[in-house]
Amino acid sequence: AQSVAQPEDQVNVAEGNPLTVKCTYSVSGNPYLFWYVQYPNRGLQFLLKYITGDNLVKGSYGFEAEFNKSQTSFHLKKPSALVSDSALYFCAFATGTASKLTFGTGTRLQVTL
Amino acid sequence: NAGVTQTPKFQVLKTGQSMTLQCAQDMNHNSMYWYRQDPGMGLRLIYYSASEGTTDKGEVPNGYNVSRLNKREFSLRLESAAPSQTSVYFCASSVALAGASSYEQYFGPGTRLTVT
Repeated sequence: AQSVAQPEDQVNVAEGNPLTVKCTYSVSGNPYLFWYVQYPNRGLQFLLKYITGDNLVKGSYGFEAEFNKSQTSFHLKKPSALVSDSALYFCAFATGTASKLTFGTGTRLQVTL
Repeated sequence: NAGVTQTPKFQVLKTGQSMTLQCAQDMNHNSMYWYRQDPGMGLRLIYYSASEGTTDKGEVPNGYNVSRLNKREFSLRLESAAPSQTSVYFCASSVALAGASSYEQYFGPGTRLTVT
């Protein structure tokens, strides 16, 4: 079955340090890949997506993600983490003609002072 | 714009009771979705509607029914609630028409449902 995997349940990083939240995919064809963020007791917010073209995608709040076809990865990155970035992050994919998303299990990002 | 709104925010049901979760969007979106979120499992699609008048099953449709009342509204009904349906339910919408999967979805704030 097609899927995305988020291998880390939690990532801890100090404020000001770079952060990476990992996502790998197992999807046939050319997937559309997304990152969403969920703050406590809130719905998900769209951060960025890869459709085609440039492998480095820039999104909201200073986040970016790099699509790597050879490693089937779409890791989320930010050069300098903020305490306010602490949240739950979801990777997701969509394929073909079905306008529906399949989500990973989520990674909790904890940024500390 | 309110975006995607959901009612109620919280609900407690007894096993066997029924209820309808309401969702509305004011973005003139074509597609609407219902997900449930459970710890450690991410979000799983229950049902979706690619356009007014159409609905399709997602990954976990058993025990649920949906109605796309009009372009704005998409409701989720639990006919006979079970403890396994304790979850947080999210509605989402997208500008995507059927066949277009590259568009992002916009989510409501969620309904926290407990079935005892």
